[in-house]
Amino acid sequence: GNSVTQMEGPVTLSEEAFLTINCTYTATGYPSLFWYVQYPGEGLQLLLKATKADDKGSNKGFEATYRKETTSFHLEKGSVQVSDSAVYFCALIGSGNTGKLIFGQGTTLQVKP
Amino acid sequence: EPEVTQTPSHQVTQMGQEVILRCVPISNHLYFYWYRQILGQKVEFLVSFYNNEISEKSEIFDDQFSVERPDGSNFTLKIRSTKLEDSAMYFCASSEDRTPGNTIYFGEGSWLTVV
Repeated sequence: GNSVTQMEGPVTLSEEAFLTINCTYTATGYPSLFWYVQYPGEGLQLLLKATKADDKGSNKGFEATYRKETTSFHLEKGSVQVSDSAVYFCALIGSGNTGKLIFGQGTTLQVKP
Repeated sequence: EPEVTQTPSHQVTQMGQEVILRCVPISNHLYFYWYRQILGQKVEFLVSFYNNEISEKSEIFDDQFSVERPDGSNFTLKIRSTKLEDSAMYFCASSEDRTPGNTIYFGEGSWLTVV
């Protein structure tokens, strides 16, 4: 079945450091890929998405590229801020698109001033 | 920006009691979902709902669970007889349609603690 694997956390960075959170997936066909973020005390918010191979999703300085050859959707940001401290979830919806999101386990990011 | 709202934000209940979690999806959305996250574990799909019926449910969504859209705005999740292992954060979500890459919007969650 479909699955998503994220790198283990927590990830602790200093402000302005470069961020990469790895995400790989297993799916048949052509899933859509998502990154959701959960700030402390809040719900899940869509950060960015990509629907086909080689698409790049971007938002708030974050980027991720849909790589079908490596089945990956790694999240990157060139310069993190303290306000980026949150839990980041990689997720997919299978090509049948039933609306059922399959989530990774989440990666906690802590950015220190 | 329109948002999905959930009540209560936190509920403590005794084992065996019935619980109803409430949600108001985004007004023009047609697809509704419940997900849950047990502390320290992945966010898991429970059920999807469209046109007043369940369109898909997971293995977790057994006979103890039910969903309902009692009026034009609310979407509820009922747990008939709660167990300790039902303690989790429950997220309601909605989407406008199911085209590829369509965004699913989540509420802030309802923390359920079963004691």
